[in-house]
Amino acid sequence: NAGVTQTPKFQVLKTGQSMTLQCAQDMNHNSMYWYRQDPGMGLRLIYYSASEGTTDKGEVPNGYNVSRLNKREFSLRLESAAPSQTSVYFCASSDTPQKNTEAFFGQGTRLTVV
Amino acid sequence: AQTVTQSQPEMSVQEAETVTLSCTYDTSESNYYLFWYKQPPSRQMILVIRQEAYKQQNATENRFSVNFQKAAKSFSLKISDSQLGDTAMYFCAFIHPGGYQKVTFGTGTKLQVIP
Repeated sequence: NAGVTQTPKFQVLKTGQSMTLQCAQDMNHNSMYWYRQDPGMGLRLIYYSASEGTTDKGEVPNGYNVSRLNKREFSLRLESAAPSQTSVYFCASSDTPQKNTEAFFGQGTRLTVV
Repeated sequence: AQTVTQSQPEMSVQEAETVTLSCTYDTSESNYYLFWYKQPPSRQMILVIRQEAYKQQNATENRFSVNFQKAAKSFSLKISDSQLGDTAMYFCAFIHPGGYQKVTFGTGTKLQVIP
């Protein structure tokens, strides 16, 4: 039972480069999320998808785009990476909003932008 | 908007002792869920315990228990008989029923268990 799988686990980018972080879940969850974790700031929501075909901005969406490819997959794209986007990124998923279960997390991606 | 505050950036506890991590939150909702997540050095986020706001009884999971004070909007985590494996970041989190499911996290408390 893989749960939530994120790739890659580590990445170094040069300023201005683009990349896509991949996330897939095998729990048949409707909701998926992207968070970034920075020291002293906890986890901040970048984007979320309440269901297949919908996406919405979270607290810190600037510089990012997302795609909910299907029910399983939710990708995060950095079009032009900036040093301020150096962070640890987590993908998460949860059951339907009405059920209010906890979020299950991937193992994170440590991204460094130089 | 909901906010979650963890006022203790770092704490330490002797092995086998008890430690309490604090969390307060702000919401206008009456029905919601609260969670404590543990993040060890491996970075994996692990659910420790959850509390449903409409339940008055404090949740307990083995050595972990909470003190949920709804009127005070307080949700502290007590770890009894601390073990070296409890060394981790601990995040308090809040979610309310709504049209979408969004979890709001506190800034975390780094707990060090000392042998």
